[in-house]
Amino acid sequence: KAGVTQTPRYLIKTRGQQVTLSCSPISGHRSVSWYQQTPGQGLQFLFEYFSETQRNKGNFPGRFSGRQFSNSRSEMNVSTLELGDSALYLCASSLVVAGGIQETQYFGPGTRLLVL
Amino acid sequence: TQLLEQSPQFLSIQEGENLTVYCNSSSVFSSLQWYRQEPGEGPVLLVTVVTGGEVKKLKRLTFQFGDARKDSSLHITAAQPGDTGLYLCAGAKGAQKLVFGQGTRLTINP
Repeated sequence: KAGVTQTPRYLIKTRGQQVTLSCSPISGHRSVSWYQQTPGQGLQFLFEYFSETQRNKGNFPGRFSGRQFSNSRSEMNVSTLELGDSALYLCASSLVVAGGIQETQYFGPGTRLLVL
Repeated sequence: TQLLEQSPQFLSIQEGENLTVYCNSSSVFSSLQWYRQEPGEGPVLLVTVVTGGEVKKLKRLTFQFGDARKDSSLHITAAQPGDTGLYLCAGAKGAQKLVFGQGTRLTINP
């Protein structure tokens, strides 16, 4: 079974631009979560999507948004980029079983975003 | 407020030594996961522990979940350079988002 894939792997943008990152989950996984990882803050939760609906949300400004498609693929968008948005953006997929319980998360390789 | 505290944050030891990494919380988790992450890659799942007091072994790595399901430890025996990486613990509470610790950056020197 193929793992979680993320595109692109590397991206360079300038301040004020916007960016869209893509994530394809493991086949059969309907939950997709997004994280931002920086050396100073560690792994910070952005949001989780399940069945095309945002189920959980972290403490990030509205410039960060996401969506999930009917095939469970997900995208996240960051508008009006700031220097501090430079980070590794990780996507993770998981099964959701009865009662909404989320099973183990499996991570993709991440997208390294550099904002100049 | 960090719900999961990992210690130490940094650890550099010689090949062949033993080490223990701790993951502590005041919260109860339904399960706890350990990941290892190498530079430029996403975290890779090592183990999931679910039952209080559970011990799982993965070759030279031993994982333990506390009896009260609030803490966990990772013990590595005879560390090898290939064990170098960022070790992350993450706690799950049902349908809620996964909570990650800040990580322990481990360096094993040949």
